[in-house]
Amino acid sequence: GENVEQHPSTLSVQEGDSAVIKCTYSDSASNYFPWYKQELGKRPQLIIDIRSNVGEKKDQRIAVTLNKTAKHFSLHITETQPEDSAVYFCAARYRQGGKLIFGQGTELSVKP
Amino acid sequence: GAVVSQHPSRVICKSGTSVKIECRSLDFQATTMFWYRQFPKKSLMLMATSNEGSKATYEQGVEKDKFLINHASLTLSTLTVTSAHPEDSSFYICSARRSQGFNEQFFGPGTRLTVL
Repeated sequence: GENVEQHPSTLSVQEGDSAVIKCTYSDSASNYFPWYKQELGKRPQLIIDIRSNVGEKKDQRIAVTLNKTAKHFSLHITETQPEDSAVYFCAARYRQGGKLIFGQGTELSVKP
Repeated sequence: GAVVSQHPSRVICKSGTSVKIECRSLDFQATTMFWYRQFPKKSLMLMATSNEGSKATYEQGVEKDKFLINHASLTLSTLTVTSAHPEDSSFYICSARRSQGFNEQFFGPGTRLTVL
């Protein structure tokens, strides 16, 4: 069945350090992997996404890597800032109906 | 572009009443919309997929008679929580998927439902 595992559940870093969040998915036919940032009480915001025909994508301090063989994808945030503190969710688009299956979330805390 | 609105943002109701939540795509057409439920500090749990002009597809364990979904147009889907009980209290979020292009999903701001 469809499943996305996300680790770690909580992550605390010092300002300026890097943060890495990892996800694995179960359906080898998944072809789209977005990452969302959710601040308390607000909607999830798409911050970066990657398609299955690409191995890596970067947007300023944020990058995502995808290993289709291992069914892993990761979010990398460099030079973290306190405003990066939030809950981050990975997701994989399941082939049937195009629904997104979400990981469990990672609560990132960036300490000044 | 790609703005999704949800109404109401908060609702408090008595046990046994029904509550309707609206999800609108404001500047794009959305053949498909999704309804999620989120508990505090938890992930988004997909409840159902709403398709314009057809019956919604519910995820396993979600009662279709309890959570009525109607997708009457390409820009509007509604979720009605019928005979609400305190255990239905939660944060309900919709998302809308573009009909054109690569089908990115954009989320509404969510509705906080509290059932007394």
